[in-house]
Amino acid sequence: GENVEQHPSTLSVQEGDSAVIKCTYSDSASNYFPWYKQELGKGPQLIIDIRSNVGEKKDQRIAVTLNKTAKHFSLHITETQPEDSAVYFCAASYAGGTSYGKLTFGQGTILTVHP
Amino acid sequence: KAGVTQTPRYLIKTRGQQVTLSCSPISGHRSVSWYQQTPGQGLQFLFEYFSETQRNKGNFPGRFSGRQFSNSRSEMNVSTLELGDSALYLCASSGVGTGFYNEQFFGPGTRLTVL
Repeated sequence: GENVEQHPSTLSVQEGDSAVIKCTYSDSASNYFPWYKQELGKGPQLIIDIRSNVGEKKDQRIAVTLNKTAKHFSLHITETQPEDSAVYFCAASYAGGTSYGKLTFGQGTILTVHP
Repeated sequence: KAGVTQTPRYLIKTRGQQVTLSCSPISGHRSVSWYQQTPGQGLQFLFEYFSETQRNKGNFPGRFSGRQFSNSRSEMNVSTLELGDSALYLCASSGVGTGFYNEQFFGPGTRLTVL
């Protein structure tokens, strides 16, 4: 089955700096890669996603890149703010066949943005 | 539009008991997935339901079961609780009926503690 590795496990930056979180996946059939932000006491919140027919996607301060050949994708947050502090999860999914609803998650990255 | 709701938010049970958790998806969403989140294992897929049918199941013992009703609301049940079942149980809903792209929106979760 699919396996997703996420690095780093913790990331500490100064406000205004950029943050990059990287994930690799094992199943070349995976075609959908969402990123989630989870704050304390809350469920994961979808912040951005990318599909296998796209190499890069940007939404304001957040961008995601996908390299299908190398089977890795990354989350980039620019101009970080203290409210970006949370746990971030990457996930991979093969949308099709019998893989309904199944997202395989990375282990998470605790991002701390210091004012 | 109201988000995904889960009840109860917190639950304390003892070993050997059973528990039922409830999830109401976003209005119009017909696919509901369940995940277990623990510090050691991270986020793991339990099962997915669409139109009252379980379409996919993760690698969990038969003590974990679920169902979906005609209004898309879903319940999951855990029988003969074990200490290791203590976790945050998350429900996610998706509006993509075919499951082609698994864009999923999570609820706040139910925190289950087994004593």
